[in-house]
This record gives sequence, C-alpha cells and structure tokens, in this order.
Amino acid sequence: QKEVEQNSGPLSVPEGAIASLNCTYSDRGSQSFFWYRQYSGKSPELIMSIYSNGDKEDGRFTAQLNKASQYVSLLIRDSQPSDSATYLCALPMDSNYQLIWGAGTKLIIKP
Amino acid sequence: NAGVTQTPKFRILKIGQSMTLQCTQDMNHNYMYWYRQDPGMGLKLIYYSVGAGITDKGEVPNGYNVSRSTTEDFPLRLELAAPSQTSVYFCASSYSMGGGSNQPQHFGDGTRLSIL
Repeated sequence: QKEVEQNSGPLSVPEGAIASLNCTYSDRGSQSFFWYRQYSGKSPELIMSIYSNGDKEDGRFTAQLNKASQYVSLLIRDSQPSDSATYLCALPMDSNYQLIWGAGTKLIIKP
Repeated sequence: NAGVTQTPKFRILKIGQSMTLQCTQDMNHNYMYWYRQDPGMGLKLIYYSVGAGITDKGEVPNGYNVSRSTTEDFPLRLELAAPSQTSVYFCASSYSMGGGSNQPQHFGDGTRLSIL
C-alpha cells in the first residue's frame, strides 16, 4: 500500500529565509505529486504540481522531485509571514481515483 | 469562476438529526470527493465518485451516504447525526480523461458541522 510521510512540525523559519518542506513516499511507480497549502480554518489550495524528476519553479516556490530517492520537496524562498500554514503533499493511488495525502507540515514564519 | 461550492458553511445539529451537505462544481469535472478533517488532523476520504451514477466508499464511509445524479452535484447525507461526526467537511473535484487520478483536486470552502 502506498504511503506518504511528512514531518508534522511545526517548522519555524525566520522571515526572508528559505523554508524547506519534505515528503517521502513508498511507491517507486508514482508519477504525479501535488503540494497544497492550508491556512488555519480554510480549505486546501493547490500551489504546485510536479510530474517529472528535477525542479519546477513558480515564483518563490520550487518543487523538487527525486524519484530514485522517493522524495519530493517544496522550497519557499524569501519566506513571508503570510506563508505560515500547513503544507500537504499528495500523490495518486493509480486506478482507484484517489489521492494519498500526507498529514501535513505546519510552517511558521517568524517576523 | 465559482469552482466548487459547498453549502451550508456552518451547521449545528442535534444527535439523531439528519442533514444533507450540498456540493456543486461548474468545471465539468468527472471526479468528485468528500473528505472530513478533524481538528489538527489530516484529510480522510469519506466517499468519491468517478462520474454520474457511480459512487464508491473511501476510508471512513460509515454513517454517510452519497449520490451522484448529475456531473455537477455530489451531496453528502448524514442520516443519524452522532457527536463523532463533528468535523469540517470538504468537497473536492478533479478531471481525468482516463483511469487514475493524475490531476490535482480542487476544494470547496468546507462545511463546519457540530453535533450536540
């Protein structure tokens, strides 16, 4: 059975620094990975999708996928207090149409 | 763009009451999902649907029912509310041209439900 693991945190990062969030997974065959951000009391919001090995950049966010080592990372550059949230990673369960969700990492950006 | 719309946003029920949580999406997505999220916890899948007329159980289906008569709507029914069903409920949708869920899910704003 596929599994996704994240450190629950909280991860505390000073404002302006790089925040690094990691997610490991058990299935070498996984092809798609998603990073979601969830503010307290709000719904999950998709921030990055990554489908191939390497880096994908979108503004201050970079997703890094390493299929050989079975981990996917999210880097947030120039961290802002508004980045404080819980970050969830997810990957598909193949043919039964579901996503496997990590439990999320709580990120706190300290001014 | 409306996206995924959930109603109501908040509701308080008494033990034993019934209610339906509404979810509608205007993105023509074929897949729809219901999750619950307890305080400080992750998402747990209740039910999902891969198209009109097709539904299947997720991880925690007991005490809930769903139907999918149209592509747009996917209501969740609680028949006999219990305190253990106090939670935040999220509806989500996604699109896939074939088998599998390799496209991201898009979420509604959630329904906060308290059973007293």
